[in-house]
Amino acid sequence: QKEVEQDPGPLSVPEGAIVSLNCTYSNSAFQYFMWYRQYSRKGPELLMYTYSSGNKEDGRFTAQVDKSSKYISLFIRDSQPSDSATYLCAMSEVSGGYQKVTFGTGTKLQVIP
Amino acid sequence: ETGVTQTPRHLVMGMTNKKSLKCEQHLGHNAMYWYKQSAKKPLELMFVYSLEERVENNSVPSRFSPECPNSSHLFLHLHTLQPEDSALYLCASSPGQGAFTEAFFGQGTRLTVV
Repeated sequence: QKEVEQDPGPLSVPEGAIVSLNCTYSNSAFQYFMWYRQYSRKGPELLMYTYSSGNKEDGRFTAQVDKSSKYISLFIRDSQPSDSATYLCAMSEVSGGYQKVTFGTGTKLQVIP
Repeated sequence: ETGVTQTPRHLVMGMTNKKSLKCEQHLGHNAMYWYKQSAKKPLELMFVYSLEERVENNSVPSRFSPECPNSSHLFLHLHTLQPEDSALYLCASSPGQGAFTEAFFGQGTRLTVV
């Protein structure tokens, strides 16, 4: 079983739709849960991170973590064409004095105008 | 610009060539990383340097050789690569040790081995 599972998509939605992206994980040692966004021909950039179970909101984006189910989600409200990108979930644990990050495969999202 | 610069952006090399990838960060970070990104696979951590010391090597083949001469520069020396090594190689940096530190990625070097 992979440590982090993410549906690769691709996911295609109309502009204005609510998008739900999800990941599951198996390692209980993960402490921080992140979402990265990667545009074509660019490196990933951090979108949001959370530490505990619950919700965290930032504008149109909401990150949700359920540690009991080992499940994390990213919701995008009122999706825009500029949101078209690959979204990577990532989880980290502190190991050997530094933060060790494990990534999902990424979900490619296309928002159609 | 993210503050992490990678060169070259694209590289095509034969299996017998020797080349180097370069990464430079201007963020004052103490940790630097090399990742490999292949299609339909998660980012794979290759090497981690913290304060210029290598702290992690995830069983990477010896045909990949990292070098960190100072906290701002990171190199990945390549020799006798295989076609399956074709991928996007990403460099990242972070402030260093701590509970949570954000990693800043460069734009990557698209490597093709022929």
